[in-house]
Amino acid sequence: NAGVTQTPKFQVLKTGQSMTLQCAQDMNHEYMSWYRQDPGMGLRLIHYSVGAGITDQGEVPNGYNVSRSTTEDFPLRLLSAAPSQTSVYFCASSWDSNQPQHFGDGTRLSIL
Amino acid sequence: AQSVTQLGSHVSVSEGALVLLRCNYSSSVPPYLFWYVQYPNQGLQLLLKYTSAATLVKGINGFEAEFKKSETSFHLTKPSAHMSDAAEYFCAVRGGGTSYGKLTFGQGTILTVHP
Repeated sequence: NAGVTQTPKFQVLKTGQSMTLQCAQDMNHEYMSWYRQDPGMGLRLIHYSVGAGITDQGEVPNGYNVSRSTTEDFPLRLLSAAPSQTSVYFCASSWDSNQPQHFGDGTRLSIL
Repeated sequence: AQSVTQLGSHVSVSEGALVLLRCNYSSSVPPYLFWYVQYPNQGLQLLLKYTSAATLVKGINGFEAEFKKSETSFHLTKPSAHMSDAAEYFCAVRGGGTSYGKLTFGQGTILTVHP
């Protein structure tokens, strides 16, 4: 059972480039979310989804887009990368919003 | 809106000593509270959760936390620290109202265990 799989694990971008961070889960979870982790700030919610076709904004959504076409996948898109988006990104999933979330191993993103 | 405050960004203990990591929360609804642990270069793993049942919650690896409504606290403890407990610990609260379902994390506490 793979759990939550994030790809890539590391990525370096130049300012203005776009990219998609992939997240897939094999637990048939309805609830999925994206966080960014920055030193001293804990994890901050970017976007989340309560099921296929349904997404909503979290605390820090600007500069990011998401879609949820299937239960399994929840990609995060950076439209035009900025140095302020340098961070570690975590995807998580759970049966519903009340249940503990299962986290992927993260994607370390650096934007030059 | 809900919030979480973890008192102390770094806590250092000796092996065998008591571990106490502090967490205070605010929430407009009865909270669901969680403690997660993060080892270097890994994602977060659930230690324990409070969901309005017993106020003393036992988790994995010998950790436990007590929910105190009057103090709006959910402190994490372990009677005897082990070297393998060295990690970063996060307290989180599930929101209500317009923040329903959203998890809000504290800033994290890095636990160092000395031999």
